[in-house]
Amino acid sequence: SAVISQKPSRDICQRGTSLTIQCQVDSQVTMMFWYRQQPGQSLTLIATANQGSEATYESGFVIDKFPISRPNLTFSTLTVSNMSPEDSSIYLCSVEEGGVNTEAFFGQGTRLTVV
Amino acid sequence: AQSVTQLDSQVPVFEEAPVELRCNYSSSVSVYLFWYVQYPNQGLQLLLKYLSGSTLVKGINGFEAEFNKSQTSFHLRKPSVHISDTAEYFCAVGFGGGSEKLVFGKGTKLTVNP
Repeated sequence: SAVISQKPSRDICQRGTSLTIQCQVDSQVTMMFWYRQQPGQSLTLIATANQGSEATYESGFVIDKFPISRPNLTFSTLTVSNMSPEDSSIYLCSVEEGGVNTEAFFGQGTRLTVV
Repeated sequence: AQSVTQLDSQVPVFEEAPVELRCNYSSSVSVYLFWYVQYPNQGLQLLLKYLSGSTLVKGINGFEAEFNKSQTSFHLRKPSVHISDTAEYFCAVGFGGGSEKLVFGKGTKLTVNP
């Protein structure tokens, strides 16, 4: 099973600033996913990040607000830009190990509070 | 549209009582079904999954779930809960191609009281 490390685990940021979240996987994976979990809500997929190509964003999410990098098969970053209090959420990185035992693994999440 | 509905946002139970957490989905294509658990201040952990085969799936920590295609349901059950089962439980559905692009339900907060 994949082990995912996310940094930072939590942060408190001023509105108008940006935060970059890092996701490191202990094995090479093709697809990485970024989710947002707003307070008291479920997980919502922000985008899918494949190495060597631009991220694919879900409806309601745009690259200018959530730029993503995927420089290699074990690492990705998500930036939350020009933050507002509405961006206060938990952001989770996820990877999929496909095949017969297809399963999604999640990082511990980054708890972001914007003040 | 593809969606996942968890009918109960909160379920309080007493220790050693049975519990069922309900999950329904809407889809016109084949699906893959998952239950994840999130303990306080932790990430998500897979409890169990249905990909194909037997509709009764057994997972970790004594949980099991049954896939009912006609009712488009995947309810989670445990015959006797422990206080340590207190957590948030999420039903998730993969619409084709494995677990990529999972759609999550809103979650059910299970509270086990002594």
